[in-house]
Amino acid sequence: GENVEQHPSTLSVQEGDSAVIKCTYSDSASNYFPWYKQELGKRPQLIIDIRSNVGEKKDQRIAVTLNKTAKHFSLHITETQPEDSAVYFCAARYGNNRLAFGKGNQVVVIP
Amino acid sequence: NAGVTQTPKFQVLKTGQSMTLQCAQDMNHNSMYWYRQDPGMGLRLIYYSASEGTTDKGEVPNGYNVSRLNKREFSLRLESAAPSQTSVYFCASSEGTGLYGYTFGSGTRLTVV
Repeated sequence: GENVEQHPSTLSVQEGDSAVIKCTYSDSASNYFPWYKQELGKRPQLIIDIRSNVGEKKDQRIAVTLNKTAKHFSLHITETQPEDSAVYFCAARYGNNRLAFGKGNQVVVIP
Repeated sequence: NAGVTQTPKFQVLKTGQSMTLQCAQDMNHNSMYWYRQDPGMGLRLIYYSASEGTTDKGEVPNGYNVSRLNKREFSLRLESAAPSQTSVYFCASSEGTGLYGYTFGSGTRLTVV
């Protein structure tokens, strides 16, 4: 199956700075990579995704980049705000429409 | 549009008791999933149903059973609860092509004492 790893496990940033979370995956056949944000006590919510035929995708202050050769993809959050504080999960699609999730990154935005 | 609805939201069980977690989606999605979330472990797939009438084991199926009752509903059953099954359980659904993300339910926090 697919193995997805996320680094770093915890990231603290000053408000207004950028945050970058990197994930690696093992299955070269994976073709879909979503990112989820989970606030404390809430459900994971999809914030952005990228398919393997695209190298970068942006949505306002968030962007995702994909390097298929190196099998890694990254989430970029610019101009961080306190409401960006949450756990972020990356995932990769593998066989029969399943998603394998990384263990999550705790992002703390310091006001 | 409710999305994915899970019941109950909280449950405390004694070791050896059984219970069923219910999940229903109103988005006409083909695929449904059950995950458990434990601190530091991320989301781990218990069982999934790629389409109505099919179910398959995921990463951590031991101690669980599932039923895809119809296209809308996918239940998770614990036959004899153990303390190791204390966790937060999330149901999710997707349209089934593999190119769109999952929609998650609000979760069930289960404690087994």
